Amino acid sequence: SQKIEQNSEALNIQEGKTATLTCNYTNYSPAYLQWYRQDPGRGPVFLLLIRENEKEKRKERLKVTFDTTLKQSLFHITASQPADSATYLCALYSGAGSYQLTFGKGTKLSVIP
Amino acid sequence: EAQVTQNPRYLITVTGKKLTVTCSQNMNHEYMSWYRQDPGLGLRQIYYSMNVEVTDKGDVPEGYKVSRKEKRNFPLILESPSPNQTSLYFCASGTGTNTEAFFGQGTRLTVV
Repeated sequence: SQKIEQNSEALNIQEGKTATLTCNYTNYSPAYLQWYRQDPGRGPVFLLLIRENEKEKRKERLKVTFDTTLKQSLFHITASQPADSATYLCALYSGAGSYQLTFGKGTKLSVIP
Repeated sequence: EAQVTQNPRYLITVTGKKLTVTCSQNMNHEYMSWYRQDPGLGLRQIYYSMNVEVTDKGDVPEGYKVSRKEKRNFPLILESPSPNQTSLYFCASGTGTNTEAFFGQGTRLTVV
């Protein structure tokens, strides 16, 4: 069956350091992978989308990599700030042309001042 | 302002009393979806709709119904709610497959 796994349930990091979150998937052949941020009690907010032919994507302090051979995406936040504390979710559509968007359980990031 | 609007935000109801949670989007999106979120289980898709009058089951459809009579609205119906449907519910919309999803602010439902 298809699975999306985010390795850490929680990650604590010192302010100013780089946070690295991992997303692994099995039995998907995704053309795209997405990352979202979710604050407590609020809906997820889209951050980045990376295509299978893109090895890396950047947006301000965020960087995402996508390795379809390893079936893994890494999400980096550089120069982390306490305001980056949130849960980060990766998401995949079930297949080409699919409308079924499935999320990993997320990693709760806490940036300590 | 582009948004997905859910109502109500909070609802406490009793077992067996039919309820509807509304979802409306003003972005002319074809794709809409409902999720529930529970501690330790993450976001799980209940139903999704690719366009008007076209819906399909997600991962956890039991006990729920949906309809898509207009492009902007996608209500979630619980015909006979049970306590195990106590959860945080999110509606989402998007332009189609492989694009970003826009989420509503959530509906916290408690069934007693």
